This record gives sequence, C-alpha cells and structure tokens, in this order.
Amino acid sequence: NAGVMQNPRHLVRRRGQEARLRCSPMKGHSHVYWYRQLPEEGLKFMVYLQKENIIDESGMPKERFSAEFPKEGPSILRIQQVVRGDSAAYFCASSPGGEYYGYTFGSGTRLTVV
Amino acid sequence: DAKTTQPTSMDCAEGRAANLPCNHSTISGNEYVYWYRQIHSQGPQYIIHGLKNNETNEMASLIITEDRKSSTLILPHATLRDTAVYYCIVHREYGNKLVFGAGTILRVKS
Repeated sequence: NAGVMQNPRHLVRRRGQEARLRCSPMKGHSHVYWYRQLPEEGLKFMVYLQKENIIDESGMPKERFSAEFPKEGPSILRIQQVVRGDSAAYFCASSPGGEYYGYTFGSGTRLTVV
Repeated sequence: DAKTTQPTSMDCAEGRAANLPCNHSTISGNEYVYWYRQIHSQGPQYIIHGLKNNETNEMASLIITEDRKSSTLILPHATLRDTAVYYCIVHREYGNKLVFGAGTILRVKS
C-alpha cells in the first residue's frame, strides 16, 4: 500500500520559469492538501482539494500559484514565473472521505529557484 | 480551530519517557487533539489523536485532562530517532485544514 507519492523530490528552476509539483494520494483517498514550508519556518496551509473541486484556497498566494486535482491523475501544484522567495519544501497530504482520519503526508518536493 | 501552546524545546535522555505538554484552553466540545511530528526534512507524520479519553497506540500515549484544556503526549521509551518537531493541533471537523503552530523541538540525547 503505497503512501502519498510526490514528485519530483527535488526541482531546480531559474527565475521566471514554471514549476509543476505532482502529488498522488494514497489509494482510496479523495482529499488532497498542499502545504509549504519555507526554510527554518513552519508548515503553512495552501490549498485543499477534492476531485475536480477546490474546497479551500485561503492559503494560496493570489498570483502565480494554482492547483488542480483532476478526475484522473495526480494533483498538481503549479507555480508560474517562479521567484527566489518560492524556494521551499512543498508537502502534500491526503485523507479519505467520510469520518476523519489523520492525514498522510508525502515526502515533499524541494523547490530551489536560482 | 482552537489555538495551542507548546514549549519551544525539550530534551530527553535516550530510553526515558518523553512527556510533551500542550495547552488548548479554548478547545470546543467537538474538537479533537491531534499530534504530528516532523523529523528533519521529512513530511509530517501522524502520531495519535483523541477527543476526551486517553489513547494509546504503538507509537505513543495521549493523556487529555478531564476539562480538556491540556494534554500530554508520552513517548514511553524515547530513542535518538524520536528527535523531531512535535506538533499539537486542535482540529474541529472533517475536511477542515490542519493548522500547524511552531511545535516543540524534542532532542533525545544519548
């Protein structure tokens, strides 16, 4: 039973390029959450998605960031025109529908903008 | 979701019990207490959760006071691999986002 899979593990982008981070939830999980952790800082919620729906995007920066969770395939966090301040670890978590369970987190994607 | 207060850091000797406190004095009746930890550079790991009864699993025990205003996470026999940041989170209901605070840095020393 594979856990939450995130790829790539490490991503290097030049300023102005686009970054695409992928998250495949655990089997049977239909809810995905994205978090960002800046260097030496805590985990900050970004967005919560269910299949084909954004439920809560209150933590998403207003510009350049978008997320989707299509009917088929992984959830994608997309950062357009990256800047140095986007360098961080991005974690994805998933949970099943129905009664609440603890979230399962992936190992994260470390984005470095040069 | 209710706010939590945790000590910034704690040390524990290897093999001894680690007791991590958390205050959540504004917790509501339908809010659970969750504990996660983050070992350096890894994704957070779920440890345990409870509503009002004490809970135990293979990783830890959770003791919640009768008034539910505070709780303690107990790692019965801490090892060096338990060195991590431990987060106490009060979480209201299914679907709501988890909000992480600063947590407690636990250092287990040999």
